[in-house]
Amino acid sequence: DAKTTQPPSMDCAEGRAANLPCNHSTISGNEYVYWYRQIHSQGPQYIIHGLKNNETNEMASLIITEDRKSSTLILPHATLRDTAVYYCIVRVGGTAGNTPLVFGKGTRLSVIA
Amino acid sequence: DGGITQSPKYLFRKEGQNVTLSCEQNLNHDAMYWYRQDPGQGLRLIYYSQIVNDFQKGDIAEGYSVSREKKESFPLTVTSAQKNPTAFYLCASSIFGDFRSGANVLTFGAGSRLTVL
Repeated sequence: DAKTTQPPSMDCAEGRAANLPCNHSTISGNEYVYWYRQIHSQGPQYIIHGLKNNETNEMASLIITEDRKSSTLILPHATLRDTAVYYCIVRVGGTAGNTPLVFGKGTRLSVIA
Repeated sequence: DGGITQSPKYLFRKEGQNVTLSCEQNLNHDAMYWYRQDPGQGLRLIYYSQIVNDFQKGDIAEGYSVSREKKESFPLTVTSAQKNPTAFYLCASSIFGDFRSGANVLTFGAGSRLTVL
């Protein structure tokens, strides 16, 4: 599976958009990008995933660059409750792989009032 | 409500003792997983099971054991062979045992925090 690179920490003002970057320059054509977040001392929570197209749900938007070497998770109006560690994961889909998700250290997002 | 229940939430153990962490899910998911998390670190995979009566070692299986006798249950035993067992343990499940599905997202429990005294 492709490795990911995320900044260790970021700050965001409450009410503003939080843009969390993720680099995955070795991603291959059949690897999905997943985002999870973990609020302190809780289990991680699934946010969104995508393959090629941009995706949006009630929690966030996922923007994947055309070459798929990087992506950005966007929380449109960050609140204090969005303070958490955000994990970007890429994993093989299709017929090439059958292995569980591997979590890195993620980005610690602090939303500031 | 459907979900994953881990127990106990907090557990203290003396060195040399085995301890079993419970994980139960009522989501009818095929796959279940155990991860370990140390302070300031990401999650590391201990064991996973894609189907009943079968399981696979993850990256850090030494000193741990699991069983999958029922679809809804995947207990983890931390044995005395685990040299540094103090950690936060997370159980998860996903609907498909075949991880190749792009929709195979994980649902996590609330975690069990083990402290060895």
